[in-house]
Amino acid sequence: DAGITQSPRHKVTETGTPVTLRCHQTENHRYMYWYRQDPGHGLRLIHYSYGVKDTDKGEVSDGYSVSRSKTEDFLLTLESATSSQTSVYFCAISDTDTGELFFGEGSRLTVL
Amino acid sequence: GQNIDQPTEMTATEGAIVQINCTYQTSGFNGLFWYQQHAGEAPTFLSYNVLDGLEEKGRFSSFLSRSKGYSYLLLKELQMKDSASYLCAVMDSNYQLIWGAGTKLIIKP
Repeated sequence: DAGITQSPRHKVTETGTPVTLRCHQTENHRYMYWYRQDPGHGLRLIHYSYGVKDTDKGEVSDGYSVSRSKTEDFLLTLESATSSQTSVYFCAISDTDTGELFFGEGSRLTVL
Repeated sequence: GQNIDQPTEMTATEGAIVQINCTYQTSGFNGLFWYQQHAGEAPTFLSYNVLDGLEEKGRFSSFLSRSKGYSYLLLKELQMKDSASYLCAVMDSNYQLIWGAGTKLIIKP
């Protein structure tokens, strides 16, 4: 299995507070992704990275920012959490931009 | 717009065969993926099709028809552990993955 871990796995926070989710990989894969998964929707891409300090927006990037200062870490930040950001967040990695994705265990975020 | 359609839920019997369909309309096509996701867990890769035809991998097979914008995942000799959601995803012309909402498969004894 791909070495990919997410933290925290569960978090409850209040509207307006900042939240950072961390994705850590030990596979040295170039590509890293943040998705959110909500009932009735497919996985939706928030942001992705194709290398250290190289990131780009996905289809639902509003209200989120990311950083990748090291190959192994990809951080997702909600500057001011809103209830609409209550979701399960998955990090994924890939060694090519067309290959299969390996997913982390997910982080369940609840914004009250 | 881009769209992936798959049934929301299906029920099948242990030991039987089930076919999960996926139809897509995307801007270009660079491959179709199937993933399995058990409740509360991460998706895991099952199969990849880029050319028309059937790809077989043990009890699981995946079929693609690019002209029809259609794929199916065939699961044979169903086991209780196959109860999961099955996600269809298409890679578009920009190499972005477009995901269906998933099909929840319930296996009954």
